[in-house]
This record gives sequence, structure tokens and C-alpha cells, in this order.
Amino acid sequence: DAGVIQSPRHEVTEMGQEVTLRCKPISGHNSLFWYRQTMMRGLELLIYFNNNVPIDDSGMPEDRFSAKMPNASFSTLKIQPSEPRDSAVYFCASRRAGLWETQYFGPGTRLLVL
Amino acid sequence: QKEVEQNSGPLSVPEGAIASLNCTYSDRVSQSFFWYRQYSGKSPELIMSIYSNGDKEDGRFTAQLNKASQYVSLLIRDSQPSDSATYLCALYGNNRLAFGKGNQVVVIP
Repeated sequence: DAGVIQSPRHEVTEMGQEVTLRCKPISGHNSLFWYRQTMMRGLELLIYFNNNVPIDDSGMPEDRFSAKMPNASFSTLKIQPSEPRDSAVYFCASRRAGLWETQYFGPGTRLLVL
Repeated sequence: QKEVEQNSGPLSVPEGAIASLNCTYSDRVSQSFFWYRQYSGKSPELIMSIYSNGDKEDGRFTAQLNKASQYVSLLIRDSQPSDSATYLCALYGNNRLAFGKGNQVVVIP
């Protein structure tokens, strides 16, 4: 099993640029989560999808953030325009519906906005 | 009050000793609790889950849950250098996992 795949693993960009983070969940998992982790705020849930449908996006910081899941094997998190305060590690996680203990995290994308 | 709180600072323990981590939560409805381990630069991985009051043991790890007092703890017996990591407490509530900020454990050889 390949696990959750995220790309890129590292991203350095300048303020104002668009950033797109990508995630491929584990095959057969029908729930997908985007988290952000910083030292100050810890691990925060941004948005999650069930069967490709966004269920709760209340954690998305503001309109600069958007997420899509066009199919069961791919999701994107986009930040436009990016700001230095968006610098963080962004994790994608997936699980089978109803089984919280089987939530698996991807390796994360380290984003630095200059 | 935040949903999940882990207030202790970094914990340093000598190799072979017991490391004790605590977590309190505010949502009385929560039924499922988890401990994740996160090595520096890596993603969180699940190490323990607990759903009922009392203790649950898995190898050198013991999770303890007290719903009346709204806390969950993790004991690491015979601590090893490989246990040096950040430990995140999490609970399932409102159809999502809520995480604490984590406690760093450093095991000194």
C-alpha cells in the first residue's frame, strides 16, 4: 500500500503567489482531510471531504484558501494569494468512513512564503 | 477553553523511566480518544486509542481515560531513546478529530 501521497514535499514561494498542494488518498478510503500545523496553533483541521463532497470547511482560514476533490483519488488545496502567515506544514489524511482510528496522514508539504 | 489541552512543557526522562503525559478536554459528549506520536519532521501516527473509562495497555504504552474528570493520559514505561517525539492527544467530536498542541518527550540515554 503506497499510503497517502502529497506533493510537493517542500514549497518556497513569494508573497502574493498562488500555491497549489496536492494529495492522493489511500485507495478505497472515502474520507479526506486537510490539516495545517504550526508551532503556535498546533494541528488544525481545514476541511474534509466524504465521497468527494466537502462536508465541513469551517476551518478554512479565509477566502484565499480553497480545496477541491474532483475524484476519489485526488484533492488540491490552493492558496491565492499566499501570505507569510500561511507558512506551515500542510498534511493530507484519509480514512475509511466511520473508522476514525484508521485515519492515515501523508508526509506533509512544508510551505514557506517569503 | 480549547477543545483539547495539553499544557505541559517539554518532558525529559532518563532512559528506562516512565514518561507521563496528560490531556484534558472540554466536550463531555466525546467518546473516542487517541494518542498520536509525531517524530520531528514526520507526520503523526496513531499509537493508542481508548473508548472506555480505565486503562488500556499496549506493549510499553498505557492509555488512561477518566470521563468524569475529562482527562486522558498516556504512560510510556521503560522509555527508550526511540520514544523521543511529540505526542498529540486527539478526540473525536462534532464529526471530526480535534488535536491538542502536543507534548515533546526527550528520552535521555
